[in-house]
Amino acid sequence: QQQVRQSPQSLTVWEGETAILNCSYENSAFDYFPWYQQFPGEGPALLIAIRSVSDKKEDGRFTIFFNKREKKLSLHITDSQPGDSATYFCAAYTGYQNFYFGKGTSLTVIP
Amino acid sequence: EAAVTQSPRNKVTVTGGNVTLSCRQTNSHNYMYWYRQDTGHGLRLIHYSYGAGNLQIGDVPDGYKATRTTQEDFFLLLELASPSQTSLYFCATRDSAETLYFGSGTRLTVL
Repeated sequence: QQQVRQSPQSLTVWEGETAILNCSYENSAFDYFPWYQQFPGEGPALLIAIRSVSDKKEDGRFTIFFNKREKKLSLHITDSQPGDSATYFCAAYTGYQNFYFGKGTSLTVIP
Repeated sequence: EAAVTQSPRNKVTVTGGNVTLSCRQTNSHNYMYWYRQDTGHGLRLIHYSYGAGNLQIGDVPDGYKATRTTQEDFFLLLELASPSQTSLYFCATRDSAETLYFGSGTRLTVL
């Protein structure tokens, strides 16, 4: 049973456009939702995260929108840059010790 | 200087072989994790530990053993490697703010 689902599997945008990456989850007990960014040949690294008490979290060009009722969230990357080309993982956490990761969205930004 | 160091970076073995993947941290974090990453599956938790001598089972533990010998060192053991264990393996630590810090990964090929 996939606890966290991501869509699309891959996304291509032009430089300067807004990329929208989607995530949904099953367990209403999840209360912390980090997004990890992974470049080829590297391990994932935390990009931005939100807790379930908030509906929006911004960090520069990256914004998470969170809908607790629908158990959905999305990552918006505005003014996308070629350097943003990477795989993005949505994760969910209950406050216990396990993180559940989605399968990832591969983003390509074309100059 | 990397806080989570994995070795080896690449490993090739044969079916039935014995493999040990190593992870060392300088973060002084209590929690350490082993994940495998496969195309189409994202990151899946194998084993984790919250301190020296402790081991907890993750979501895909079959065929894997792990041992946490010290606060710093966490090992993943494949005693009878199979081709299905060909994968990219990541070690991670977790801080008190629930952020995961990943190593650079070990690519394992089982022939």
